[in-house]
Order: sequence, then structure tokens, then C-alpha cells
Amino acid sequence: DIQMTQSPSSLSASAGDRVTITCRASQSISSYLNWYQQKSGRAPKLLIYAASSLQSGVPSRFTGSGSGTEFTLTISSLQPEDFATYYCQQSYSTPFTFGGGTKVEIK
Amino acid sequence: QVQLVQSGAEVKKPGSSVKVSCKASGDTFSRYIISWVRQAPGQGFEWMGRIIPIFGTTNYAQNFQGRVTITADESTSTAYMELSSLRSDDTAIYYCAREGETAAAGTFVYWGQGTLVTGSS
Repeated sequence: DIQMTQSPSSLSASAGDRVTITCRASQSISSYLNWYQQKSGRAPKLLIYAASSLQSGVPSRFTGSGSGTEFTLTISSLQPEDFATYYCQQSYSTPFTFGGGTKVEIK
Repeated sequence: QVQLVQSGAEVKKPGSSVKVSCKASGDTFSRYIISWVRQAPGQGFEWMGRIIPIFGTTNYAQNFQGRVTITADESTSTAYMELSSLRSDDTAIYYCAREGETAAAGTFVYWGQGTLVTGSS
């Protein structure tokens, strides 16, 4: 199985800050990498697919980059509604696997 | 718009089975792969398996092989996930998710609201 490792596991930031989350795969997954946002008690929401494609309706302050084994999710200017937990997920091969999550908290 | 509506919470005794449903609307059900993913309390996500409704073909994660059965009823646009031999560590929220089209297979575009399954004696 492909292991997905996210860092950091949590971070504190203020509204307006630039935030970067990293996701590493245990083997190359090309660009088969997706990012989700989960708010407490809710189902996840797809933000970025294929490493860098913005899902319809998602604000442009979210950007994804990377390929191979290293990927990043960047929020250019953190908004109050962005405080949540973020997960990466590989769709390269089954079993599909997720990173452990990054909780973005208010500083 | 696409909606996935799941059945309600369940409390089950260890050793029993649970069957969760996921009713789709807003698009052609049989065209898209449905996956099941679970999230234990305070934990991350674990992919369980998937079904291609139009063919009825399934693919299960090794961790659940032999315990999980995923089916689909095209006539009602509903997918089902049955997990048997329940243990206390199967306590989790179970989600169905619709995958993207061919190039985005394995991408979970739409999610159900989740179903809490509690394994308790």
C-alpha cells in the first residue's frame, strides 16, 4: 500500500496568513493526488484534484502543486472559514490511502 | 445537483453485521463508481472498497476482504455496504463517495453525510 505522510499535523495561524501543508507519498504517484477539507462533524469537501486542479466552486486562494512523491497545498490568505482539517489522498492505485490530516487552528 | 443520502445511525453488537445504504440523485447513477470510506472517532480515513454499478464489479481493500460486501441497485440508484463480524474497533462514521469520471477515478467528488456505526455490547 502507498503510505501518505502529511506535515505538520497541526498549525496555528491568523486570518490573512499564508499557510502551506506538505504531503509525501511512499512511492511515485505522478499527479494522482487530491486535497480535501473537513470541518468538524461534516463530510470532507474536495478542494484540489490531480495535484493542482481547483475543484469547481473552490476559492482561488487554494492552490496545489507537486508531482511524484512531494506535494503541497497552499492557502494564500487564510480566511475565518478555512479553519478546518485538511487531508491529502492518493488516487494512483487501490487501496486509495489518505494522509493523517493537518488541523489548521486559530492563533 | 448530485446528492448522496445515507441511512441513519446504527448500534450493533460485536459479531453482528451492519448494512448501510447510500441513495444517489441528480445524475446517472450507473455511470459513476461509488466508494466507501470510514473514519474512526478522531482519526483519519480508511478506504474500504468500491463498486462500478453498471457492471456490478467490486474492488475491496485487503484489510476488509471477506468482511465487507458492496452492492448496488440501479433501479433505486442506491449503493449498499455490508460489514460483518463487527468488532468494537469498527466503530466509525461510514461515508459513501462518488468518484470522478475516468481521468478522475479514485477522486471523491461527492460525499454522503456519513453514517455512525457503533459496535457495542
